[in-house]
Amino acid sequence: ETGVTQSPTHLIKTRGQQVTLRCSSQSGHNTVSWYQQALGQGPQFIFQYYREEENGRGNFPPRFSGLQFPNYSSELNVNALELDDSALYLCASSSPGTGLINEQFFGPGTRLTVL
Amino acid sequence: TQLLEQSPQFLSIQEGENLTVYCNSSSVFSSLQWYRQEPGEGPVLLVTVVTGGEVKKLKRLTFQFGDARKDSSLHITAAQPGDTGLYLCAVINQAGTALIFGKGTTLSVSS
Repeated sequence: ETGVTQSPTHLIKTRGQQVTLRCSSQSGHNTVSWYQQALGQGPQFIFQYYREEENGRGNFPPRFSGLQFPNYSSELNVNALELDDSALYLCASSSPGTGLINEQFFGPGTRLTVL
Repeated sequence: TQLLEQSPQFLSIQEGENLTVYCNSSSVFSSLQWYRQEPGEGPVLLVTVVTGGEVKKLKRLTFQFGDARKDSSLHITAAQPGDTGLYLCAVINQAGTALIFGKGTTLSVSS
């Protein structure tokens, strides 16, 4: 069984640029959630995708957007990058259900640095 | 205001010592989870507690859910360097779509 994978591992961007982060969910998982973890903080929920539709969103501006594909993989897009967007971005997948969380399995994250 | 308050924020101990970390809130929860996150990795679920007063053991780790289901503790007996990491408590949001995490306790165990 393949776990959650994320790419790239690290990324450096400059303020104002756009970035796309990618996530492959664990085999058989149809729900993907994205979290932002700033240094010294716990992860904060950005949004969740279930069956290719956004199924919940945290307190993040619209410049944070996402996609889920038919194979349940997902992308997180951030436009107009700001310095405060520098963080570890975590993807988590959940076992089949109605979009409700059972147990979430996290990937290793993408470390984004905005200069 | 943080929904889940974790303490202490940092803990540095010697191998073999015992320790307890706390997760407190003024809200009542139907369940609470503990995760451990190692550098360069995502959080890994350690345990879910669901019943007030429940105690769960995972080898040298003992988890307790408060009687009122507002708080939880994690006790580690005879800590080892492999226990080093960030310990996070989390609860599920009302919609059931996301985890809400505390800020975590960073534990460093030196040999």
